[in-house]
Amino acid sequence: DTAVSQTPKYLVTQMGNDKSIKCEQNLGHDTMYWYKQDSKKFLKIMFSYNNKELIINETVPNRFSPKSPDKAHLNLHINSLELGDSAVYFCASSQGQGSHYGYTFGSGTRLTVV
Amino acid sequence: DQQVKQNSPSLSVQEGRISILNCDYTNSMFDYFLWYKKYPAEGPTFLISISSIKDKNEDGRFTVFLNKSAKHLSLHIVPSQPGDSAVYFCAASYSNSGYALNFGKGTSLLVTP
Repeated sequence: DTAVSQTPKYLVTQMGNDKSIKCEQNLGHDTMYWYKQDSKKFLKIMFSYNNKELIINETVPNRFSPKSPDKAHLNLHINSLELGDSAVYFCASSQGQGSHYGYTFGSGTRLTVV
Repeated sequence: DQQVKQNSPSLSVQEGRISILNCDYTNSMFDYFLWYKKYPAEGPTFLISISSIKDKNEDGRFTVFLNKSAKHLSLHIVPSQPGDSAVYFCAASYSNSGYALNFGKGTSLLVTP
């Protein structure tokens, strides 16, 4: 039973399109995150939600909008996709608002914008 | 601005020997450090962590050492096994950042039989 699941695993789309990535966790965690791993392999935080409330919103273009309908789900919607958005996006969750408990990551969504 | 640095992109070690992975950081506000392991096409998996009030934490074959004055930490794997072959990410956080993890670029470890 997958703890943090992301869909889709691969996404190829054209510039200018709008796409969504879904994330669900069945661990009962109250905090969820989106991380981006770019072509240089850096993993950087984008957003963090605690009990459906936005906690961290790093310097991310407004085209990226997270949505948390409940504490088990954190979806990422991206408008007007650009070539530079190509990356691997990881969803993660933790119990408690803090990395001290260790994150559980999903397996990632590889987004390719052509 | 990369606040967590792993200067060795790759490391090759023989099975049974010790693997030492290094990590340096620049932000003195970091108070918690973690190591993650990642296999291809999978998400990072939490391995071991250490608080800034300690200088060593051990969990089975894995030990993390923290030298705050040098802003340096290291992960020791003893003995190394072929299944340890993966990319290892060092990460750091502090409470005022909302506990966001700052990751290094990773070190690819290859354990050869």
